[in-house]
Amino acid sequence: SQTIHQWPATLVQPVGSPLSLECTVEGTSNPNLYWYRQAAGRGLQLLFYSVGIGQISSEVPQNLSASRPQDRQFILSSKKLLLSDSGFYLCAWGGPDYGYTFGSGTRLTVV
Amino acid sequence: QKEVEQDPGPLSVPEGAIVSLNCTYSNSAFQYFMWYRQYSRKGPELLMYTYSSGNKEDGRFTAQVDKSSKYISLFIRDSQPSDSATYLCAMSVYAGGTSYGKLTFGQGTILTVHP
Repeated sequence: SQTIHQWPATLVQPVGSPLSLECTVEGTSNPNLYWYRQAAGRGLQLLFYSVGIGQISSEVPQNLSASRPQDRQFILSSKKLLLSDSGFYLCAWGGPDYGYTFGSGTRLTVV
Repeated sequence: QKEVEQDPGPLSVPEGAIVSLNCTYSNSAFQYFMWYRQYSRKGPELLMYTYSSGNKEDGRFTAQVDKSSKYISLFIRDSQPSDSATYLCAMSVYAGGTSYGKLTFGQGTILTVHP
């Protein structure tokens, strides 16, 4: 069966520090991968998606970047965090014709 | 106007009640419709998945899609305290050969089922 792993679960980082969140998928090959952010009391906003190694598309301009160094690995990064980067970050895999599975999320607080 | 509108609630019902959750949307190209359940501080969990119009039933849950009205619903029968969560609707446009489809979410409805 397919599983998705995301870490860390919580993170408190100072403004201006770098960020690296990692997501890995098991049990499938060449998955479509996504990074979403959920602000408090709001729906999910798509940040990045990837349909293959090295292929990254950005949905919104921001202080974040994404990379896909391996088939089942998706990384969300920032060189310098802003207060506005705080939120709940979710990795997902899947597609419209078979559904989407989300990871357990990383709660990021920038202080 | 948001592409997907969902009443955030909160909605509070007694145990055993029938719960009705709804979303409206404006993009007529949406073809795939989903409902997710999200417990506090957890990732969303896929509850129901529907392609195009029609009904789908799974245990106590029924999903309905009315594309002519651009309206989707989730019904929960015999609601339980364990159903207390945020319910998110989501929808997607199929993107052809890439199989990529961006999910557009509603804001989520907070549901509390009290004993």
